[in-house]
Amino acid sequence: DGGITQSPKYLFRKEGQNVTLSCEQNLNHDAMYWYRQDPGQGLRLIYYSQIVNDFQKGDIAEGYSVSREKKESFPLTVTSAQKNPTAFYLCASSIYRDRAQPQHFGDGTRLSIL
Amino acid sequence: GESVGLHLPTLSVQEGDNSIINCAYSNSASDYFIWYKQESGKGPQFIIDIRSNMDKRQGQRVTVLLNKTVKHLSLQIAATQPGDSAVYFCAENYGGSQGNLIFGKGTKLSVKP
Repeated sequence: DGGITQSPKYLFRKEGQNVTLSCEQNLNHDAMYWYRQDPGQGLRLIYYSQIVNDFQKGDIAEGYSVSREKKESFPLTVTSAQKNPTAFYLCASSIYRDRAQPQHFGDGTRLSIL
Repeated sequence: GESVGLHLPTLSVQEGDNSIINCAYSNSASDYFIWYKQESGKGPQFIIDIRSNMDKRQGQRVTVLLNKTVKHLSLQIAATQPGDSAVYFCAENYGGSQGNLIFGKGTKLSVKP
């Protein structure tokens, strides 16, 4: 079945630690996205990538980093510079060339501070 | 786990009734809109979309209405079922960079048996 897989489902970060969230898709989509969701808020865009080896900052990129070495994979690193990392992180993908296409989401990773 | 539905407006309906969830979007230049359903602890699930050259689109038990004059979008769910209980939010494509969406905060739908 085609879809987006995020792992782990739950993640805990210690002070000063970087952690990496995994996102893999087998939908053959060119574009991939990372969002942050906080309770009672709309999704906020962290980073997006329209093609392999290229990515762009979203609205709240500070304290985060990404890579896009393969079409299927778009990992997100939450660095120690992100002072408020506790949130639900969602990865999404969409077909690249047509703007009028929905984004499809994984089931998220919940990150908490130890 | 922590609910994404905290502090959201809530719509409570009886099982079998029709539900109407509303969304005011922000940008008059937006030309594509999506409704998502999100259950607790899961990612958003695509329900239905509509382009700005349409004012109505129907799916299975759902209808989306678009009123560009007042920048308003609504989702109608027919014969609401307990499995429809979730947070529903709209998203608009405002142009700018390819495929970027602006997401609303959502409405929590609660279905009473």
